[in-house]
Amino acid sequence: NAGVTQTPKFRILKIGQSMTLQCAQDMNHNYMYWYRQDPGMGLKLIYYSVGAGITDKGEVPNGYNVSRSTTEDFPLRLELAAPSQTSVYFCASSRQGSYNSPLHFGNGTRLTVT
Amino acid sequence: DAKTTQPPSMDCAEGRAANLPCNHSTISGNEYVYWYRQIHSQGPQYIIHGLKNNETNEMASLIITEDRKSSTLILPHATLRDTAVYYCIAPMNRDDKIIFGKGTRLHILP
Repeated sequence: NAGVTQTPKFRILKIGQSMTLQCAQDMNHNYMYWYRQDPGMGLKLIYYSVGAGITDKGEVPNGYNVSRSTTEDFPLRLELAAPSQTSVYFCASSRQGSYNSPLHFGNGTRLTVT
Repeated sequence: DAKTTQPPSMDCAEGRAANLPCNHSTISGNEYVYWYRQIHSQGPQYIIHGLKNNETNEMASLIITEDRKSSTLILPHATLRDTAVYYCIAPMNRDDKIIFGKGTRLHILP
């Protein structure tokens, strides 16, 4: 099992550019999450999904969009990149949310916006 | 999420047991306590979780007080590779958001 796979590993964007961070899991998990982590800081929840077709905002959703058309994939879209979005982005999944169900994390995407 | 409180940093000598505390005084009866760690800038790694009883696995032990208001993660024989940020979370079952705090930065001293 690959677990949670994030692509790309690294990316440099210019201000105003757009990109999609990819996240895929092969564990048939219903719940998926996107977090960002600024240097020296903790994890902040951007968006989450409890199943295909259902998404909801987390703590810091502004500047991002998500979709969940399949159980396996949960892409994160940045429409107009800003320097404040320079961060490490982690995707995670779990079988049934917070109830007796640990999170499995990907290895992250390191994004720099200049 | 039930609010959790952890010390910002701790030191532990290599080979000794590392005991990391977490307060979660607002936890509800059916909410689990989870522990994760993050080594340098890698993705967080699940360690252990529990509801009421103490739990042990190949990585660590989790001791939950009888009133469930606090817990302790125990790394029995700490090594330099255990240097990491350790997060304790207690997400609410009725809320699908899973929020992380700032965690405890554990330094293992040679």
